[in-house]
Amino acid sequence: GENVEQHPSTLSVQEGDSAVIKCTYSDSASNYFPWYKQELGKGPQLIIDIRSNVGEKKDQRIAVTLNKTAKHFSLHITETQPEDSAVYFCAVNMLTFGGGTRLMVKP
Amino acid sequence: DAGVIQSPRHEVTEMGQEVTLRCKPISGHNSLFWYRQTMMRGLELLIYFNNNVPIDDSGMPEDRFSAKMPNASFSTLKIQPSEPRDSAVYFCASSLVQGGSGGNGYTFGSGTRLTVV
Repeated sequence: GENVEQHPSTLSVQEGDSAVIKCTYSDSASNYFPWYKQELGKGPQLIIDIRSNVGEKKDQRIAVTLNKTAKHFSLHITETQPEDSAVYFCAVNMLTFGGGTRLMVKP
Repeated sequence: DAGVIQSPRHEVTEMGQEVTLRCKPISGHNSLFWYRQTMMRGLELLIYFNNNVPIDDSGMPEDRFSAKMPNASFSTLKIQPSEPRDSAVYFCASSLVQGGSGGNGYTFGSGTRLTVV
């Protein structure tokens, strides 16, 4: 089955800095790569996704890049704000999730 | 739109009892997913349905777990008998189009926190 690894497990940045979270996957046939933000006591919320026919997608301060050859995709958050603090999960085809990254943005 | 609705939000039960978790997907969505989240194992897919038909239940831990989707607006996840190791947060999610890939609007519910004592 699919294997998804997510790094780092924790990330602490200063407000205004950028944050990058990376996931690698094993199945080259995978074609849908969403990112979720989960706040304490809530369900994961989709923040951005990318399909295998696209290399990059951007939505305001959030971007996702996909390298199909290397089988990895990354979440980029620019100009981080304290409200970005949460746990972020990558997923592949909604079937397999990464282990999560706890992002802390220090004011 | 009320989103994906799960009930109950919290459930505490004694070992050996039957537990039923409920999910109402977003109206118009045709795929439904059940996940379990624990600190040790993270988010795991248990089962997903497409057009009310179970497509992949390979994530269901064992025979004590069963899931049904009698119609497009309702699904249940049942554990019988429950055990302490079943304690987790159980999430339901729904989407439009094919489950697993190519869908749109994947939305999670708020989850059910299950504690088995």
